[in-house]
Amino acid sequence: AQTVTQSQPEMSVQEAETVTLSCTYDTSESDYYLFWYKQPPSRQMILVIRQEAYKQQNATENRFSVNFQKAAKSFSLKISDSQLGDAAMYFCAYRGLNSGGSNYKLTFGKGTLLTVNP
Amino acid sequence: SAVISQKPSRDICQRGTSLTIQCQVDSQVTMMFWYRQQPGQSLTLIATANQGSEATYESGFVIDKFPISRPNLTFSTLTVSNMSPEDSSIYLCSVTGTATNNYGYTFGSGTRLTVV
Repeated sequence: AQTVTQSQPEMSVQEAETVTLSCTYDTSESDYYLFWYKQPPSRQMILVIRQEAYKQQNATENRFSVNFQKAAKSFSLKISDSQLGDAAMYFCAYRGLNSGGSNYKLTFGKGTLLTVNP
Repeated sequence: SAVISQKPSRDICQRGTSLTIQCQVDSQVTMMFWYRQQPGQSLTLIATANQGSEATYESGFVIDKFPISRPNLTFSTLTVSNMSPEDSSIYLCSVTGTATNNYGYTFGSGTRLTVV
């Protein structure tokens, strides 16, 4: 079974600085998707960024980028120029790409609570 | 991406009673899922709601406790039965497989359940 590990329960960053959130995963599959989701106090799960395992290029979305190391099974999220609105719980998630109902489900890490200090 | 309406947003229930949570999507979706998020914890998948057939439950979750319906491609319900305080959690609906975004996942805003 796939597992996702986030080793940092909490992180803090100064406004305008850069922070990196760590995520590692375990899988025997060769094709899969990885996600970072943000959950603010409103409870709404918001997709931050997505990476396809077959793509070597790291995904980027504005101030958010990932460092995807497939061999090491590592998928870290870098937030640049941190803003107060970035404060939230961040979840790393995995989804297998093979066909079949069971591979459509997301497996989540335990989350990292990010605090942004003004 | 799909827009989900999840109801109720919160409820306080007496132990021993049941609550049904609804998830309505504004477009047809391939897959619908129900998650539980206990206070301060991550999301745990309860089951995959299958259209026209019985849901597929994850280990540790059973149909008698969490019956699920999915009568069509845009609607599903999750019932939390015979509730106890340990069922106090946030329950979230999630969908994927839309016409415009086959690999994107959208989540409902969640139902905060408190059992007293």
